[in-house]
Amino acid sequence: DQQVKQNSPSLSVQEGRISILNCDYTNSMFDYFLWYKKYPAEGPTFLISISSIKDKNEDGRFTVFLNKSAKHLSLHIVPSQPGDSAVYFCAATSEGNTPLVFGKGTRLSVIA
Amino acid sequence: DAGVIQSPRHEVTEMGQEVTLRCKPISGHDYLFWYRQTMMRGLELLIYFNNNVPIDDSGMPEDRFSAKMPNASFSTLKIQPSEPRDSAVYFCASSSIPMGEQYFGPGTRLTVT
Repeated sequence: DQQVKQNSPSLSVQEGRISILNCDYTNSMFDYFLWYKKYPAEGPTFLISISSIKDKNEDGRFTVFLNKSAKHLSLHIVPSQPGDSAVYFCAATSEGNTPLVFGKGTRLSVIA
Repeated sequence: DAGVIQSPRHEVTEMGQEVTLRCKPISGHDYLFWYRQTMMRGLELLIYFNNNVPIDDSGMPEDRFSAKMPNASFSTLKIQPSEPRDSAVYFCASSSIPMGEQYFGPGTRLTVT
């Protein structure tokens, strides 16, 4: 029973365009969400997070949107760069209460 | 800070052998997590510690798996005996806050033949 789902295993985007990575969750108790980025042969690194009291959080080229009613969040990367090519994991937790639950990841390829 | 350190980076062993993976968390972090990544199941939590005490080991797949944290700067994940289906990348992560941002090590790629 997957509580955090990333339904697109892969995504290919041209350099300079927008990348949109999606994540759905089923547990209504989740109230804090994180995105991690993973390069080959490295561990995941934290990218950006959002609390359920917000619907948007922005950090440079990266913006995360949260739609609580739909139990859906998305990560937007604008503009996409070749260095953004990596696997992106969505994670969720009930803050201070439960361990992070990760999705299976989406492999983003940014084509020059 | 050197970040989370894991050793070995790669391990190839034969079925039935004992495997020990090691982790040194970031100094000052009270939480340590062990994860396993496979194509089929993604990134799954095996066990986590708080102040060296195991809090939740419900993700440990079988009794063949065990983890210890004898002190704040060292943890091990042991598989005995190992099986081919244990082949995966094992990550250790640490954090200073309960369930927020975690810092991952580079992982140990385990291959059991």
